Amino acid sequence: QQQVKQSPQSLIVQKGGISIINCAYENTAFDYFPWYQQFPGKGPALLIAIRPDVSEKKEGRFTISFNKSAKQFSLHIMDSQPGDSATYFCAASSRETSGSRLTFGEGTQLTVNP
Amino acid sequence: DTGVSQNPRHKITKRGQNVTFRCDPISEHNRLYWYRQTLGQGPEFLTYFQNEAQLEKSRLLSDRFSAERPKGSFSTLEIQRTEQGDSAMYLCASSPRLGRGSYNEQFFGPGTRLTVL
Repeated sequence: QQQVKQSPQSLIVQKGGISIINCAYENTAFDYFPWYQQFPGKGPALLIAIRPDVSEKKEGRFTISFNKSAKQFSLHIMDSQPGDSATYFCAASSRETSGSRLTFGEGTQLTVNP
Repeated sequence: DTGVSQNPRHKITKRGQNVTFRCDPISEHNRLYWYRQTLGQGPEFLTYFQNEAQLEKSRLLSDRFSAERPKGSFSTLEIQRTEQGDSAMYLCASSPRLGRGSYNEQFFGPGTRLTVL
């Protein structure tokens, strides 16, 4: 059972544009929602994360919007740059689960054209 | 470099051979995780250690897989009698001891790419 669904699968944006990636989850016990950025041949790097007690978190050009009632959250990349071209994964975890293991979405391949 | 390190970075082996991977977590991180990532997919949880104790294993972890963290520091993941379906990126992550009210930030290593011929 896929507990975290991510869309779109791929995204092409022009330099300076806004990139938006969406995720939906099923498990209401999830209480931590990170986003990871992964370049080819590298491990995922933690980008930004949010807890369900806030609706938005911003760090530089990256913003997470969180809708608890809809069980959805999204990543917005403002002023997208070619260097942002990578695969982005949303994830979720619960402190109720032993070790709070992460459940990942399927990933979004972002291409930012110069 | 104070991040999570993994060795080797790449491993090519023939079907039926045994392979072992090593993960060195961030110093003082007591939690260590192994994930597997196949091409075009997100990482999938395999197993989790708190200090030297292996506390959870995924159903993905068949009996050909074994993981250890003998002194609560580095960890090894061994795959016996490898199969072509084992070809994947094996990722290790670590996280610090959770304080009250804190959440589980996991930091990943660069991974070991396994190719089984």
